[in-house]
Amino acid sequence: DAGVIQSPRHEVTEMGQEVTLRCKPISGHNSLFWYRQTMMRGLELLIYFNNNVPIDDSGMPEDRFSAKMPNASFSTLKIQPSEPRDSAVYFCASNPGTVVNQPQHFGDGTRLSIL
Amino acid sequence: DQQVKQNSPSLSVQEGRISILNCDYTNSMFDYFLWYKKYPAEGPTFLISISSIKDKNEDGRFTVFLNKSAKHLSLHIVPSQPGDSAVYFCAALDDKIIFGKGTRLHILP
Repeated sequence: DAGVIQSPRHEVTEMGQEVTLRCKPISGHNSLFWYRQTMMRGLELLIYFNNNVPIDDSGMPEDRFSAKMPNASFSTLKIQPSEPRDSAVYFCASNPGTVVNQPQHFGDGTRLSIL
Repeated sequence: DQQVKQNSPSLSVQEGRISILNCDYTNSMFDYFLWYKKYPAEGPTFLISISSIKDKNEDGRFTVFLNKSAKHLSLHIVPSQPGDSAVYFCAALDDKIIFGKGTRLHILP
């Protein structure tokens, strides 16, 4: 039973470059969440989707960040242009329902380093 | 301004004893709380949850207690085992989920 799959696991790139993080949620799950984890701020919710529709993107830090969910089995989080302060671990999670109070299943994260 | 606070960055407990992890929150509108456990290089995994209409929920070795008047919840692990060494996050929800910064638990042999 495959869990949430994120790629790449690690990404190192120079500032100014475009970064695309990918997520495949658990099949049949209706909600998908993107999080960022840093030492300073802990685990922060960036955006979540219900049935492929963005519901709350108030956690997206700035316009350089965008997320899409073109279908039920794939989502991307894009940073363009990237900056050193974007360095963090980015997690994707999914849950079966359409409400946030159901336990979420997390992927293993993408560790992003912007030089 | 942290709405969910885990004031102990780390905690060490002898194997076999009880581990108590604490979490405080400021928003009285939170109506659901969860605990997640995280190993290095892995994503958080769900442990246990509690609704605000309850004050206790138990699942095996794990028990979560909620004190709404004090805006405080705690996770008890008894007996503690080596595999419990991990970072534990509490999370609170109203219409959105907010995580604490985590507490690193070390189980000593």
